[in-house]
Amino acid sequence: KQEVTQIPAALSVPEGENLVLNCSFTDSAIYNLQWFRQDPGKGLTSLLLIQSSQREQTSGRLNASLDKSSGRSTLYIAASQPGDSATYLCAVWGYTGKLIFGQGTTLQVKP
Amino acid sequence: SAVISQKPSRDICQRGTSLTIQCQVDSQVTMMFWYRQQPGQSLTLIATANQGSEATYESGFVIDKFPISRPNLTFSTLTVSNMSPEDSSIYLCSFRQGKNTEAFFGQGTRLTVV
Repeated sequence: KQEVTQIPAALSVPEGENLVLNCSFTDSAIYNLQWFRQDPGKGLTSLLLIQSSQREQTSGRLNASLDKSSGRSTLYIAASQPGDSATYLCAVWGYTGKLIFGQGTTLQVKP
Repeated sequence: SAVISQKPSRDICQRGTSLTIQCQVDSQVTMMFWYRQQPGQSLTLIATANQGSEATYESGFVIDKFPISRPNLTFSTLTVSNMSPEDSSIYLCSFRQGKNTEAFFGQGTRLTVV
C-alpha cells in the first residue's frame, strides 16, 4: 500500500530565505508526482508535475526533484515571500489509478 | 488547461439533511474524482465518477451516503446524504485527462453540519 510522508509538518522562515520541503513515498511504481499548494479553506493549486522518467521540473522560484528509486521528492522554494505562506501537498499517482496525498507541510514566511 | 468550477463554495447545513455539490469543467475530461478533506487532515479519495455508469467508491465510502452522478464528460455532482456533524469537511472535485497528466482541483466546498 502506497504511503506518502511529508517532512516537516510545519515550517516558519523569515522572508528571503531559500527552503526545501520533503516528500517520501513507499512504492516506487508511480506514473508521476505532483506538488500542490493549498490556502486555508480553499482548493488545491497545481504547482509542478514530475513524470516518473524525469528528474526535476522548474517553475519560477520553484524547483521540484524526483528520485523514484529512493522514493523521494523535494520542493525547493527560492527567495521565499510572505505570499508563499500556505500548505504544500505532494501526491503520487500510482499504478492503482489513485492519487495518494501526503499530510502536507504548512509554511509560514514572516515579513 | 481546462477550468473547473465547483459550487457551492461553502454551506452550513442542519443534521439529517442532504447537500448536493456540483462540479463543472469547461471541456470534456476523462477522469473525475471526489475527495474529502477533514479538518486538519489531508485529502482522501471518496470515489471515481464514471461517465454513464455508477461511481467506483473507495473503502469506507458507500453510495447511499455519497451518491454521485456524472451525466456527461463535463459535469458531476456529489450528494452528502443524511448529514451529521462528522461530515463537516471540505469536499473537492478533481479531474485529469490521463494517467500522465496533471490533476486539477475545484475550489472546494466547505461544509459545516450543525
